Amino acid sequence: ETGVTQSPTHLIKTRGQQVTLRCSSQSGHNTVSWYQQALGQGPQFIFQYYREEENGRGNFPPRFSGLQFPNYSSELNVNALELDDSALYLCASSLHGRRSDTQYFGPGTRLTVL
Amino acid sequence: AQSVTQLDSHVSVSEGTPVLLRCNYSSSYSPSLFWYVQHPNKGLQLLLKYTSAATLVKGINGFEAEFKKSETSFHLTKPSAHMSDAAEYFCVVSDPDNNNDMRFGAGTRLTVKP
Repeated sequence: ETGVTQSPTHLIKTRGQQVTLRCSSQSGHNTVSWYQQALGQGPQFIFQYYREEENGRGNFPPRFSGLQFPNYSSELNVNALELDDSALYLCASSLHGRRSDTQYFGPGTRLTVL
Repeated sequence: AQSVTQLDSHVSVSEGTPVLLRCNYSSSYSPSLFWYVQHPNKGLQLLLKYTSAATLVKGINGFEAEFKKSETSFHLTKPSAHMSDAAEYFCVVSDPDNNNDMRFGAGTRLTVKP
């Protein structure tokens, strides 16, 4: 069984640029959630995708967008990067889009915005 | 809207002594509650979850938590700390009224002294 993987591991961008982060879900999982974890804080929910459709969204602006592909892998896109976007971005997959489902987290992508 | 408060940002115990990490939640409905652990440079790992079954939930590595609706609490305990338990612990609430939004607490850093 393959776990959740994320790429790249680290990324450095400048303010105003755009970035795409990628996530491969655990085998058999059809739901992917994305989180932002600022330094010293708990993760904040960005959004969830279930079977290629957005299935819930946290309090993030529209410049945070996502996609889920037929193989259930996912992308997080962030446009017009701001300094405060510097954080660890976590992807988690689960078996179904239910609130009680266990989520399995990847190791994260560390984004630095200069 | 749901929220989670972890009452201690840092807990320090000696190896072999009990661990208590406190969590209070606010939710408009019967929530699902989780505890996750985050070791340095590793992904989040589920310790245990409550989903309206038994109020005393047993998890991995000897951890357990008790759901107390009257106190809106979900404290994490372990009878005897091990050095390998040193990590960041997050209490999480998921509320169906908030469209699968998983709310993480700010985290409690557990230090285990030899």
